[in-house]
Amino acid sequence: QVQLVASGGGVVEPGRSLRLSCAASGLTFNYYSMDWVRQAPGKGPEWVAVISYDGKYKSYADSVKGRYTISRDNSKNTLYLDMNSLRTEDTAVYYCVRDLGQWLMGYFDSWGPGTLVTVSA
Amino acid sequence: SYVLTQPPSVSVAPGKTTSISCGGSNIGSKSVHWYQQKPGQAPVVVIYNDSDRPSGIPERFSGSNSGITATLTISRIEAGDEADYYCQVWDSSGDHAHAVFGGGTRLTVL
Repeated sequence: QVQLVASGGGVVEPGRSLRLSCAASGLTFNYYSMDWVRQAPGKGPEWVAVISYDGKYKSYADSVKGRYTISRDNSKNTLYLDMNSLRTEDTAVYYCVRDLGQWLMGYFDSWGPGTLVTVSA
Repeated sequence: SYVLTQPPSVSVAPGKTTSISCGGSNIGSKSVHWYQQKPGQAPVVVIYNDSDRPSGIPERFSGSNSGITATLTISRIEAGDEADYYCQVWDSSGDHAHAVFGGGTRLTVL
């Protein structure tokens, strides 16, 4: 059974930084591309970033490009999201998700419980 | 940027059939995925690649995609189907690919 456990969320002031981690188990981690998807309170999901299975390709939503960095350590089965220059509108539950199917056409088949990031003064 | 348009809400009586649309430019050329989200839970994929069903998803859930509209159809509606539904595609029209979600449709079972 695939488990994706995100951690690192919390309350942070605008302009500050935060690093999210996602520990993956129950899957051959280095086989899969992985994504971060966030959901603001009362809103729908918003895709944040994708990283290829080997870490060589990354893409970001326009809303976070230049501020967020996605990375992975396949030796530790862990996905990361470094978030800088945080804004109040970044407040959301951040989900680590497995990306299944054809590259850049796939769907998100496994979602962890998510970690809440609150950006507030 | 690519936009997916869904109706905000649909209401349906138990036992009936309902369809939820997802509109987008030439969406028929893309693979569309559908997610169900119940309160306090993470989304769950119910249809992938336009019309495929993951294991464990009832046959009552089906999907289609053509032209400018993709459709999720749920037949023999049950109270447990009450949830928010989101469509999702990948857009590769820019220099980098982006995943896009529709705004969501709240399904209410009367």
